[in-house]
Amino acid sequence: EVQLVESGGGLVQPGGSLRLSCAASGFTFSSYWMSWVRQAPGKGLEWVANIKQDGSEKYYVDSVKGRFTISRDNAKNSLYLQMNSLRAEDTAVYYCARDRQDGYNPWGQGTLVTVSS
Amino acid sequence: QSVLTQPPSVSGAPGQRVTISCTGSSSNIGAGYDVHWYQQLPGTAPKLLIYGNSNRPSGVPDRFSGSKSGTSASLAITGLQAEDEADYYCQSYDSSLSGSNVFGGGTKLTVL
Repeated sequence: EVQLVESGGGLVQPGGSLRLSCAASGFTFSSYWMSWVRQAPGKGLEWVANIKQDGSEKYYVDSVKGRFTISRDNAKNSLYLQMNSLRAEDTAVYYCARDRQDGYNPWGQGTLVTVSS
Repeated sequence: QSVLTQPPSVSGAPGQRVTISCTGSSSNIGAGYDVHWYQQLPGTAPKLLIYGNSNRPSGVPDRFSGSKSGTSASLAITGLQAEDEADYYCQSYDSSLSGSNVFGGGTKLTVL
């Protein structure tokens, strides 16, 4: 079964850091682009970042550039999102998703990040 | 404000047909990029519903269909059922934004 499981969310103060992880199973992780997508409470979906199969290309939404870093470890079938200088507006459920030309499929269950003092 | 525009809400009675529009521009849908649709049931992660404008993943009922024309796309749901009540999002790629996959603002479907 193709599965993605996120972890690492929690409560962090403004200006703080957090590292999210996404464990992949059931498919050849190293063959796919991967993405992080977030959803603020009661709001819609927002693509955050994606990374190429070998990590050589990375893209970010403007609002997180310079603060967030996406990375992956193909040997561990894992995707990461290092989030620094966190702001209240970064509060959201963060989903990892397999990024294909024919859509994001599947999605993980999400991990909640709350930025608050 | 989202790059792709969807109506905030639509509604319909059981058995009826509803459509959800997704309006873009010449840098995304109008540039020929595919549109994908996702269904998000309350309290759950989004699920791919339609890919490549009009294709259904295995397991998605044929009550769901997608189309694309010009700078817009549409999701149609026929034979509405109570379990279709969810949020629906369109998604595409925008060439004016570096590496950007973009989503619509989402549409809440209420089954009356």
